[in-house]
Amino acid sequence: SAVISQKPSRDICQRGTSLTIQCQVDSQVTMMFWYRQQPGQSLTLIATANQGSEATYESGFVIDKFPISRPNLTFSTLTVSNMSPEDSSIYLCSAGGGNTGELFFGEGSRLTVL
Amino acid sequence: ILNVEQSPQSLHVQEGDSTNFTCSFPSSNFYALHWYRWETAKSPEALFVMTLNGDEKKKGRISATLNTKEGYSYLYIKGSQPEDSATYLCVGASGNTPLVFGKGTRLSVIA
Repeated sequence: SAVISQKPSRDICQRGTSLTIQCQVDSQVTMMFWYRQQPGQSLTLIATANQGSEATYESGFVIDKFPISRPNLTFSTLTVSNMSPEDSSIYLCSAGGGNTGELFFGEGSRLTVL
Repeated sequence: ILNVEQSPQSLHVQEGDSTNFTCSFPSSNFYALHWYRWETAKSPEALFVMTLNGDEKKKGRISATLNTKEGYSYLYIKGSQPEDSATYLCVGASGNTPLVFGKGTRLSVIA
């Protein structure tokens, strides 16, 4: 199992600003992921954070909007850049997985963009 | 592309009632199905990972079944308690593609 700490837990941001969310895992993990849940929608994978290389983004998500860092096997950050109200969501960090493996999640970061 | 549907979207039950909800998915390319419980302001917590047709799993008052041939899974809660109030997420895994989440069923148990 893995315990994941995520911060901030919530924030209210102004349009046009950027916010960085941090994710710390209590053990080394190969796979780390960033998800988003917009109001009324499913959890959607933004990208896979790769240690030592650029993140792998899913369709509809780009590095300029959601830059990701993964400096080591226990830590990752997601930045939401140039925010607009449409970016108001819960952002979740997770680790583990594989094709059938269990995912462990942080407690989420609830962003409200005014 | 795996598409996971959950119903109902939300559910209100009285304390002590038993309840169930559904997750449906395409039966082709199925690999595994996960159920998670997500309480407000907490991390989603894994309940079950199911892979075999006919699987039945149980954790306390919560159980789940899987039918891969017809593409559905049921989650049952026996004797619901207020602490069962949460969103229950169904997640499909299909080979090497990313996990696909349903929108969840939001359960409220009224004391």
